[in-house]
Amino acid sequence: EAGVAQSPRYKIIEKRQSVAFWCNPISGHATLYWYQQILGQGPKLLIQFQNNGVVDDSQLPKDRFSAERLKGVDSTLKIQPAKLEDSAVYLCASSQTWNSDTQYFGPGTRLTVL
Amino acid sequence: AQTVTQSQPEMSVQEAETVTLSCTYDTSESDYYLFWYKQPPSRQMILVIRQEAYKQQNATENRFSVNFQKAAKSFSLKISDSQLGDAAMYFCAYGDPGANNLFFGTGTRLTVIP
Repeated sequence: EAGVAQSPRYKIIEKRQSVAFWCNPISGHATLYWYQQILGQGPKLLIQFQNNGVVDDSQLPKDRFSAERLKGVDSTLKIQPAKLEDSAVYLCASSQTWNSDTQYFGPGTRLTVL
Repeated sequence: AQTVTQSQPEMSVQEAETVTLSCTYDTSESDYYLFWYKQPPSRQMILVIRQEAYKQQNATENRFSVNFQKAAKSFSLKISDSQLGDAAMYFCAYGDPGANNLFFGTGTRLTVIP
């Protein structure tokens, strides 16, 4: 069974530029999560989707971050414009259901903002 | 939000020996889930072990076991017969059954000495 796929694996941009990350969850997983992991810290949830609907985006900086999961499968996370403090690893995870199910993580995208 | 505390930023263990990683958490809920995830250098996060709060029996997965003390809100991970491949960051995480958010600690970096 294929795991969670993410691309790109690495991205370097200048501040104020825009960037987009892509995630493909495990087949059949209804719930998809985006986490931000700053160096030296544990991951922090940014947004959670159940199929193509948003369950929780309370920690998403909506003035610059946006995410979508239009067909309930793939998802994209966008940052526009990027700030220096956005440098982090962006992790995508998926689970079969939303209710206390184990989450499976992708390899992450390491973003560096210069 | 629930908080998860890992008080050991770094630990080391001799190969074939046993090591215990500590985790405490804060919650007012009676039903929840606890996880240990392993994140090898530059590789993706993988689930090590999961514990349901309503179960009194401690979870075990091969060389990995937990000591779950619900009253003390403690959830430690014991790794027996440590192997070089166990070297990684280990994150303790709390799962909210109502929304399936995961709250992570700051991690413990485990070094295995040959």
